[in-house]
Amino acid sequence: EIVLTQSPGTLSLSPGERATLSCRASQSVSSSYLAWYQQKPGQAPRLLIHGASSRATGIPDRFSGSGSGTDFTLTISRLEPEDFAVYYCQQFGSSPWTFGQGTKVEIK
Amino acid sequence: QVQLVQSGSELKKPGASVKVSCKASGYTFTSYAMNWVRQAPGQGLEWMGWINTNTGNPTYAQGFTGRFVFSLDTSVSTAYLQISSLKAEDTAMYYCARRAQGVLDYWGQGTLVTVSS
Repeated sequence: EIVLTQSPGTLSLSPGERATLSCRASQSVSSSYLAWYQQKPGQAPRLLIHGASSRATGIPDRFSGSGSGTDFTLTISRLEPEDFAVYYCQQFGSSPWTFGQGTKVEIK
Repeated sequence: QVQLVQSGSELKKPGASVKVSCKASGYTFTSYAMNWVRQAPGQGLEWMGWINTNTGNPTYAQGFTGRFVFSLDTSVSTAYLQISSLKAEDTAMYYCARRAQGVLDYWGQGTLVTVSS
């Protein structure tokens, strides 16, 4: 099973700042099979990024994804108030599909 | 527009069973696999498995075999998750999610299942 480790666990930032979230895999993951999701309190997760770097439909361009192999990054260039949430990475290249434990982006 | 609408919250006693529904609309139901994801209170996301909406063939992740059953009623574009012999540790939010080229692109709103005596 591929274990995804996200860091940091919590990121305390102010609106307008840049957020950099990390997702490290225990084995190499094809970039095609790495996704990022956003979850706000009381809501279902929402797809942000697929194929490691492609934004899903309707996702603002302040969200970007990068990486390959075992190291992947989600960057939010300038935090908006609605971006404070929990973010999960997920791999679906190897069964069982796995999620990282999440990074909470909170208002400083 | 694509929508996945799940059934409402459930409160069950240990040992009972529960069946959660996920009704799809806005797309051809049999063109996309349906996945199930569990989220225990205050915890992260856990992939439970998926069901092929063409063949009805389910695939279960480790830890979700035996008591968990995925099923379909394609005539009403609905997927089901049934959990039997409920335990307290089954208390969680359960999500259905459509899979498109691997990613989970649309999610239901979630169904909270609470198991308590």
